[in-house]
Amino acid sequence: DTGVSQDPRHKITKRGQNVTFRCDPISEHNRLYWYRQTLGQGPEFLTYFQNEAQLEKSRLLSDRFSAERPKGSFSTLEIQRTEQGDSAMYLCASSIHEQGTRSPLHFGNGTRLTVT
Amino acid sequence: AQKITQTQPGMFVQEKEAVTLDCTYDTSDPSYGLFWYKQPSSGEMIFLIYQGSYDQQNATEGRYSLNFQKARKSANLVISASQLGDSAMYFCAMREAMDSSYKLIFGSGTRLLVRP
Repeated sequence: DTGVSQDPRHKITKRGQNVTFRCDPISEHNRLYWYRQTLGQGPEFLTYFQNEAQLEKSRLLSDRFSAERPKGSFSTLEIQRTEQGDSAMYLCASSIHEQGTRSPLHFGNGTRLTVT
Repeated sequence: AQKITQTQPGMFVQEKEAVTLDCTYDTSDPSYGLFWYKQPSSGEMIFLIYQGSYDQQNATEGRYSLNFQKARKSANLVISASQLGDSAMYFCAMREAMDSSYKLIFGSGTRLLVRP
């Protein structure tokens, strides 16, 4: 178990540029989640995948955001035409989907995005 | 309405003493799970403890215990024998069984500082 891996750890970009983040979940986990965390706040849900299917998107996920999980393995989160308000920590988490509410989400170290 | 409320933005505790971090929640789902996570300054979210709504006993994990009062809808985290390494942000989160995404909804967190 190597844990959830996110790349890059930090990204600085200019307003209007596109950025893409990658998440590699724990290998046997079939669910993958993206969250956004701004300074002093808790993580906010953006979207999740079960295997390769994106099953729910938050209203926080504007049209400029797109996420993929080809083949149900790693996932990418792309932000087009970045805005300063997109500056945040982007967290990826994975879990095994099983009956009951018990299984925790396992988080990566996050990608900190700064839009100048 | 806020689903998870953490009313203490910051807390201090003396090393080796116990501390209680408050969390109240709001749900109409009879089946739910409550989680606590620790987030050190490095950014990773570390799962600490879980309490299910039907669990008869309060959860314990080492120095962490959960004071679960279902009627009051509270799930306070108790850290015994505080250590300097416990200084971090602490987040309470909830999962509702009716939510097919099984996502976690987080509170705004409490920053704990352990004094030597």
